[in-house]
Amino acid sequence: QLQLQESGPGLVKPSETLSLTCTVSGGSISNNNYYWGWIRQPPGKGLEWIGTISYSGSAFYNPSLKSRVTISVDTSKNQFSLKLSSVTAADTALYYCARRDRVGIYLDPWGQGTLVTVS
Amino acid sequence: QSALTQPASVSGSSGQSITISCTGTSSDVGGYNVVSWYQQHPGKAPKLMIYEVSKRPSGVSNRFSGSKSGNTASLTISGLQPDDEADYYCCSYAGTSTFVLFGTGTKVTVL
Repeated sequence: QLQLQESGPGLVKPSETLSLTCTVSGGSISNNNYYWGWIRQPPGKGLEWIGTISYSGSAFYNPSLKSRVTISVDTSKNQFSLKLSSVTAADTALYYCARRDRVGIYLDPWGQGTLVTVS
Repeated sequence: QSALTQPASVSGSSGQSITISCTGTSSDVGGYNVVSWYQQHPGKAPKLMIYEVSKRPSGVSNRFSGSKSGNTASLTISGLQPDDEADYYCCSYAGTSTFVLFGTGTKVTVL
C-alpha cells in the first residue's frame, strides 16, 4: 500500500526558505501514470494547491505562489521536495504531500501532513 | 483565479440525504470532467471520496455519489451517518494557467 510521509522543520523564520520532503514508500515514484503534489491548509482554513511534479521533473505551480516555489524530485531516494522562499506568517499552514493521478487529476493517497509555523 | 464556491455548512438528520454544491466556471468545473471530492475529519488528512465527477474509489461507501451539471458539481450523501460529520472539499482542473482549484469547503453536521 502506497504511503507518503512529509518531513522538515516545523518552525521557519520570516524571510527564510521553507523546505519539506515527501518520502514515498510501498511503490515507485517513477511511474508515468502519476504526478506528485503539495497542498497546504492554513489553520482553520481551506485547502490550497501549491504545485505538482512528474518523476521526470516537469513541474506546475499555483500562479499565486509561482515566484516563490520550487518543487523537485529525487527518484533515487523515492522522494520529492518543496521549497518556498521569502516566507511570512501567511505561509503558516499544514503542508500535505499527495499522489496525483495523471489523467483524472485527483489526489490519493495523502500524507498525514506537517505543520510549519513561520515566526 | 478564485476558489470554487461551496456552501459554508450543510446539515441533516441521521438517515437523511444531503447535497453539497461546488460552483465554478466554464474554465474549470464546466470545462472538464475531472472534479473530485475529499472528506476531512478534524486533525486528519483529506480522503478521496469521488473522482472524475462520479466515480467512487474502492472502499468508499455507495452512499456517496457525485454529479455535474454545467458549471456546478454536486456531492450527495444518502443515509447520513454520524461519521459523515466532517469538512468536504471539491477540486477541479482549471486549465493550463491555473491548473488546480479547490472549493471553499463545506462543514457537514449530522443532527
